Amino acid sequence: DVKVTQSSRYLVKRTGEKVFLECVQDMDHENMFWYRQDPGLGLRLIYFSYDVKMKEKGDIPEGYSVSREKKERFSLILESASTNQTSMYLCASSLRMGTQYFGPGTRLLVL
Amino acid sequence: QKEVEQNSGPLSVPEGAIASLNCTYSDRGSQSFFWYRQYSGKSPELIMFIYSNGDKEDGRFTAQLNKASQYVSLLIRDSQPSDSATYLCAVMPPSGNTPLVFGKGTRLSVIA
Repeated sequence: DVKVTQSSRYLVKRTGEKVFLECVQDMDHENMFWYRQDPGLGLRLIYFSYDVKMKEKGDIPEGYSVSREKKERFSLILESASTNQTSMYLCASSLRMGTQYFGPGTRLLVL
Repeated sequence: QKEVEQNSGPLSVPEGAIASLNCTYSDRGSQSFFWYRQYSGKSPELIMFIYSNGDKEDGRFTAQLNKASQYVSLLIRDSQPSDSATYLCAVMPPSGNTPLVFGKGTRLSVIA
């Protein structure tokens, strides 16, 4: 079974803080993805990575950066958190650009 | 602009009925199609995928694909209250080397 884990289920941060969200997959998948999901807006792709140290912008990269130093780990960084980044953050991985397997999600609240 | 459209719902069906969830996509050369189920507060989980025209059955679930009409559907037979969730349709673009494009999902409510 594919397992994708995320470092926190719930997180509360202050405006202006630097926030790290970690994602780890155990299936040697090439591709990893970060999404945010908001009511009525569906899943929106922030960044994805198709190899170690490689990254591609998704649909809404502004205010975010990512890091992939090892194949199994993909980090999402909010350089200076803002209230409009309050959301559910979902990490996913895939062997090829096909079936994606999702982690449990991190619900982030920025005060 | 790649688009995947779903009716947001809610779609309400009585227990035991067939629930029919629909999805249309704009990119004619799209290759593969995926259905995910997402319970409230949880992450999406894959139900099934389909890549050939016609029907594909897995238990109570049937995926139907019509590439000419750019239409994919998910039928849930003998719907149960536990099927109440949001169902996401996802499409693989023609290139095959870019991420899936997700619809916004249809909320299904099965009434006991």
